[in-house]
Amino acid sequence: QSVLTQPPSVSGAPGQTVTIACSGSSSNIGANNNVHWYQQVPGTAPKLLIYGNNNRPSGVPDRFSGSKSGTSASLAITGLQAADEADYYCQSYDNTLSGRVFGGGTKLTVL
Amino acid sequence: QVQLQQSGPGLVKPSQTLSLTCAITGDSVSSNSAAWNWIRQSPSRGLEWLGRTYYRSKWFNDYALSVKSRITINPDTSKNQFSLQLNSVSPEDTAVYYCARGYDGTGYSHWGQGTLVTVSS
Repeated sequence: QSVLTQPPSVSGAPGQTVTIACSGSSSNIGANNNVHWYQQVPGTAPKLLIYGNNNRPSGVPDRFSGSKSGTSASLAITGLQAADEADYYCQSYDNTLSGRVFGGGTKLTVL
Repeated sequence: QVQLQQSGPGLVKPSQTLSLTCAITGDSVSSNSAAWNWIRQSPSRGLEWLGRTYYRSKWFNDYALSVKSRITINPDTSKNQFSLQLNSVSPEDTAVYYCARGYDGTGYSHWGQGTLVTVSS
């Protein structure tokens, strides 16, 4: 059971927009801790997609965006492409656990 | 460009010590603006942050509560690398282990290639 809760799967057709939710609590996201998002293609290391809630590292397309409100965060992907098919993870810091925590991951399928 | 290269055995016997090393190029383990982490991933536990080492005028370590009694992360400034030691392993420690650069404000921006470590006799 992950500290941060994500839907196991989402799907969308090419060109559509999908949103992946990440639900936390007052000890992590709600405590004003940063939320980061990662993309992982099976068999490879995770790749940083969004850092500090809504910032994109250099090279990440602006089709990817992050937001945060209260105890939840979300990742939006617009103009869905086949190459976006991957697993997506949110990550934050938990004050009660005094450690970094990840969501359970969401598998994105492009139909 | 920062690159992390992991090395270490892929098979460890139960009750023994898991040891991995992460060599850094393009940055310094003694950097005052980075932290050096170990993260593992398994089907049963998902992604799990294990701990980190970082330098801010002196060396600091943070460890996850779940492994705090068994883990040591050490920097090696002479070789510009850092290491993970996890004692008294059990089959539940079987996972892909990653080293990563980053801290709470920036996320983990650079990752090693991953090492599958199997705990089995």
